[in-house]
Amino acid sequence: GAGVSQSPSNKVTEKGKDVELRCDPISGHTALYWYRQSLGQGLEFLIYFQGNSAPDKSGLPSDRFSAERTGGSVSTLTIQRTQQEDSAVYLCASSLRPYGTMAGDGYTFGSGTRLTVV
Amino acid sequence: SQQGEEDPQALSIQEGENATMNCSYKTSINNLQWYRQNSGRGLVHLILIRSNEREKHSGRLRVTLDTSKKSSSLLITASRAADTASYFCATDNQAGTALIFGKGTTLSVSS
Repeated sequence: GAGVSQSPSNKVTEKGKDVELRCDPISGHTALYWYRQSLGQGLEFLIYFQGNSAPDKSGLPSDRFSAERTGGSVSTLTIQRTQQEDSAVYLCASSLRPYGTMAGDGYTFGSGTRLTVV
Repeated sequence: SQQGEEDPQALSIQEGENATMNCSYKTSINNLQWYRQNSGRGLVHLILIRSNEREKHSGRLRVTLDTSKKSSSLLITASRAADTASYFCATDNQAGTALIFGKGTTLSVSS
């Protein structure tokens, strides 16, 4: 697609329920990233996918959080047994080439999913 | 863990003035990037400067990088009301796999 697409744009859920957030990156972008942003804060890195390599999950805050990327394209971030502190905007980004090299590219971000846990 | 720190946290200026935002980081980097965010949603990539570059321009934007001081600055010249947004610098995480963002500078440009 023309940009990074995230769905839903807004999600309100009850504490204890599971949620799935979807990200559809730009076609051909090999790298995909998930971040979350709490109100008035910077972005917190969650997870990184690069091609068929094992994902870098070092930023996931707890084992309630998991993510997968199917076929090197669409990614789903799942939060189990949601808590109120999970309320945030979840942002997905993709880049043409992997980060960490001198040739690294800028990220293209989606518009995010605003998650509210009540 | 946080890598980049922007300064100031907030900046208010008049249209036509220049805005300067600074970023300091802790460990060596491959490159440093600046992003803009409107209304708490998706970020837009503004400019990327590599560790072997010292200055880069893009339109009204000028970015400098001083690796000896581990700092960067973003200058927006002749600011406009439409430049009102939050600006973030981003650098490598320790694994070199992803960007780490600071908390940002909130710029307000009044007409």
